[in-house]
Amino acid sequence: KAGVTQTPRYLIKTRGQQVTLSCSPISGHRSVSWYQQTPGQGLQFLFEYFSETQRNKGNFPGRFSGRQFSNSRSEMNVSTLELGDSALYLCASSGTGGVLEAFFGQGTRLTVV
Amino acid sequence: AQSVSQHNHHVILSEAASLELGCNYSYGGTVNLFWYVQYPGQHLQLLLKYFSGDPLVKGIKGFEAEFIKSKFSFNLRKPSVQWSDTAEYFCAVNAFNAGNNRKLIWGLGTSLAVNP
Repeated sequence: KAGVTQTPRYLIKTRGQQVTLSCSPISGHRSVSWYQQTPGQGLQFLFEYFSETQRNKGNFPGRFSGRQFSNSRSEMNVSTLELGDSALYLCASSGTGGVLEAFFGQGTRLTVV
Repeated sequence: AQSVSQHNHHVILSEAASLELGCNYSYGGTVNLFWYVQYPGQHLQLLLKYFSGDPLVKGIKGFEAEFIKSKFSFNLRKPSVQWSDTAEYFCAVNAFNAGNNRKLIWGLGTSLAVNP
């Protein structure tokens, strides 16, 4: 069974640009969550999608958005990038209606210059 | 508000030393509890979990954790650490949010360095 796949693995963007990250969950999983990981801040929850609907949302500005497709694949978009957006973005998928156990991808390392 | 607190941000041990990492949460309802580990350069992976039953749970690589409901704690232990245990450890709690949906709440993590 393939794990959670995130693409791309690494990205370098310029301030003001926008970026889209992709996550393919484990086959059969319908819940996809996104996290931002930075040193000292730990894992910050961005949002969770379940069956194409955003079910939970963290405390991030509106520049951070996401969506989920009918095949459960999810994308996360960050517009008007800031230097502080540099981080490891993690995607996790879960198999049931609740977030009972999360399986993580390798993450996308975003660097904003 | 629901929160998870990990007491130690950085821990340095010598091989064969015993390990205990603290985790406390604030939530009065039913919880599921997790410890995840992130080895250098690798993705987060589940170390162990508690859903119900025996409050002492055993995970991979000799780790165990004890759920003490009265103390809202879920501390991670290992009797004898190895250099390969060097990693970042995260405690997480699965609780219900206002919309009655489950949400994983994370601690800030503990960085463990084991000296050979």
